Amino acid sequence: DTAVSQTPKYLVTQMGNDKSIKCEQNLGHDTMYWYKQDSKKFLKIMFSYNNKELIINETVPNRFSPKSPDKAHLNLHINSLELGDSAVYFCASSQEPGTGRDYGYTFGSGTRLTVV
Amino acid sequence: DQQVKQNSPSLSVQEGRISILNCDYTNSMFDYFLWYKKYPAEGPTFLISISSIKDKNEDGRFTVFLNKSAKHLSLHIVPSQPGDSAVYFCAASAPNFGNEKLTFGTGTRLTIIP
Repeated sequence: DTAVSQTPKYLVTQMGNDKSIKCEQNLGHDTMYWYKQDSKKFLKIMFSYNNKELIINETVPNRFSPKSPDKAHLNLHINSLELGDSAVYFCASSQEPGTGRDYGYTFGSGTRLTVV
Repeated sequence: DQQVKQNSPSLSVQEGRISILNCDYTNSMFDYFLWYKKYPAEGPTFLISISSIKDKNEDGRFTVFLNKSAKHLSLHIVPSQPGDSAVYFCAASAPNFGNEKLTFGTGTRLTIIP
């Protein structure tokens, strides 16, 4: 009964391809996030959605396009994949944007993307 | 521009002893600080948080201390147990009118030696 689930867990693809990562949360939270953990282990925010509306977009190349069909889902589509996109991508959720600061985010288990 | 720093990439502690993980930050606007624990192939799990109006918060074996003047926080785990072996991330957040986000450090790998 996973609270935040991401699929797929592993993704290996060639440069130039387009791929999507899906995220779903069953916690009833209003806010969802995408974080990227690069090879230096930095966990850096990419996007945040509150109730299907984009509220944070952190200087991410426009090859990355998040989509939130409803507040329980936040998918990440990546066009024209590059070698530098190889990383672990984490989805997370919080009750509201502010509550994550006190009660923390609930993270999914991550999607390891390898671009070859 | 690394606003949250964990300068020790790794730490080994004997089982039963105290583990102390450290974190420094540069942004004086941060007013919430959190610790996360991460096992391999899993997402980070929230452990404990502290707001800037406090200098200590305790939850069972975990205590977080905040020294605002030094822009430093630490996580104490007493007593340390084998299941505590994981990577620990420090995170911080500043108020931003509903657009708050967590800024993470690079983590410290804690190994508890039986």
